[in-house]
Amino acid sequence: DAGVIQSPRHEVTEMGQEVTLRCKPISGHDYLFWYRQTMMRGLELLIYFNNNVPIDDSGMPEDRFSAKMPNASFSTLKIQPSEPRDSAVYFCASSLARDSRRYFGPGTRLTVT
Amino acid sequence: SQELEQSPQSLIVQEGKNLTINCTSSKTLYGLYWYKQKYGEGLIFLMMLQKGGEEKSHEKITAKLDEKKQQSSLHITASQPSHAGIYLCGVSHASGTYKYIFGTGTRLKVLA
Repeated sequence: DAGVIQSPRHEVTEMGQEVTLRCKPISGHDYLFWYRQTMMRGLELLIYFNNNVPIDDSGMPEDRFSAKMPNASFSTLKIQPSEPRDSAVYFCASSLARDSRRYFGPGTRLTVT
Repeated sequence: SQELEQSPQSLIVQEGKNLTINCTSSKTLYGLYWYKQKYGEGLIFLMMLQKGGEEKSHEKITAKLDEKKQQSSLHITASQPSHAGIYLCGVSHASGTYKYIFGTGTRLKVLA
């Protein structure tokens, strides 16, 4: 298997622009997680899905952030409008229901100027 | 997260030396997970510990869980440059939850 795939790997955008991050989980995995990593706060869970349904989005910082999972093989994290404080590395991870080990993608490094 | 403390925050060792990284939770542990992150990459799962006193090994890396102290230690024997990276622990505080939190990580550098 190719592992968790994320795109783009790097994104540089100007404040106020819409940003969309994409994730393809490992085939057959029931859970999908979006994390944000910064030097100040470490690795934070933003939202997670089970069988394409959002279960807990309490980590989503503001209404500017939204996530969708239209099918088992694709998820998006959207920031609209983006702000400089959103600059971070965003990770997507997936796991099997019976195994709580997370499989992480390579991350998307977002820079908002 | 203040619920989870990792120490030290950073570590520089000479190749061949042993080292220990600690992870302490302020809440009762249900499961504890160790991951390694190479700079600029995603996290790679190392080990999962769930039972008090449990000890697991992966190549030259050994992790132990002290349930009473709500603490885990990760020990690397005869460190190599390939061990360099960020080591993060993640903990779950309840059974059946997939929402576990991560520590801030320990940055390890191994000098050749």
